[in-house]
Parts: sequence; structure tokens; C-alpha cells
Amino acid sequence: ETGVTQSPTHLIKTRGQQVTLRCSSQSGHNTVSWYQQALGQGPQFIFQYYREEENGRGNFPPRFSGLQFPNYSSELNVNALELDDSALYLCASSFGQQETQYFGPGTRLLVL
Amino acid sequence: GENVEQHPSTLSVQEGDSAVIKCTYSDSASNYFPWYKQELGKRPQLIIDIRSNVGEKKDQRIAVTLNKTAKHFSLHITETQPEDSAVYFCAARNYGQNFVFGPGTRLSVLP
Repeated sequence: ETGVTQSPTHLIKTRGQQVTLRCSSQSGHNTVSWYQQALGQGPQFIFQYYREEENGRGNFPPRFSGLQFPNYSSELNVNALELDDSALYLCASSFGQQETQYFGPGTRLLVL
Repeated sequence: GENVEQHPSTLSVQEGDSAVIKCTYSDSASNYFPWYKQELGKRPQLIIDIRSNVGEKKDQRIAVTLNKTAKHFSLHITETQPEDSAVYFCAARNYGQNFVFGPGTRLSVLP
């Protein structure tokens, strides 16, 4: 198992609400990437944070936002939740932007 | 941008047989190709990776081959065991870009 942790493990929200997901990177890792994994699909890149700056973004609307803290932990915020936002949200940490990524256990979000 | 295709989507093999999963990528500048195994309800786990300066890499029963000319790479699992049953994802990354994952292959190893 990797040292990447995520909280909460499960979350149920209703449409229009906002949610914050958290990720603690593996010791020594300074980069966190966030992915959305819909059921039966591969992870889709949301964005990456390197040394507290956003460093690359996938095809997700601005209501998906994030930040990274000085200890390299990270948050993913989603505003105005939609039903299609229901998915497993994975974070992955690495030492550097281009290095091997190690995934956390994910947060399963259900939007009703 | 990069596009990664993966075949087959499902694969069933008898225990002890070999399994092969193939991925193709579109960006010829991609230079790093990891493979992840995801068991039901668990996180994707890195099982092997290969960089573009290497044609083949092996780790016990698992190997990955890369054909840069054809832009495809394959995962080979020999002597399959029931615990190899999972969904396998390939991914590709170009330096300066981010990882693009394939849609996954569900491998079932039948006892």
C-alpha cells in the first residue's frame, strides 16, 4: 500500500451542493494529481498541483477547483454538484511533476 | 492531445495460462507508460512501467513491451493465478503533459 490517504471514503450529496475532498500525499512527494473515475472507466485527469501551484488541467469546468498546502496535502472542491459528478475521486502523489504516481484509496461521491 | 486505446475490454484465461493486454497511443512524443492493477473497491496499484528508451521490462511473472514505431505497448502476465483477477489500466504520458489512461481491461483468471 502507498502512503497516500484520502478523506472521506464515502460521501452523499444532493444536486447543487458543494463538496470538499482531501488528500495527503506520500512522504517526500511534492505533487498531487486529481482524477475522476466513473464506473467502468479509466481515471480522467482533473488537475495537478506542484508546489502549491496548479500545473495542468484536464477537460473539467471551473466549478472543479483545488489547492495545495505547504505540507503538499491537497483539496478538491466541486461546486454546484450535478448527478454526473457521481464517481470515485482519486488523488495520486509523486515526487515531481513527471514522476511515477501513486494513488490514494479514493473518495466515492454519490450525488442524488 | 494524447489518446490511449486498450484491448481487449474483457479477458478470461485459465489458471496457469498467459494473458496479454495491448494499448495504443496517439502522441509519438509520449515517453512513459505505466500499468496499474485495480481490484474491486481498491485503489489503482502500479505493477510495472516502461520508459521510451527501453523496449522491454520484466518483473517476475509480469512483463511490458514497447514498440515506439507502431505506438503500442503490451502487458504480459505468465502463469496466471486467481489473484491476478482485476481491472488493468494502461497509461501514457508525454514530458510536460499529464497522464492519459486507457479504458481498462477486466481480467478473469478461472480456476
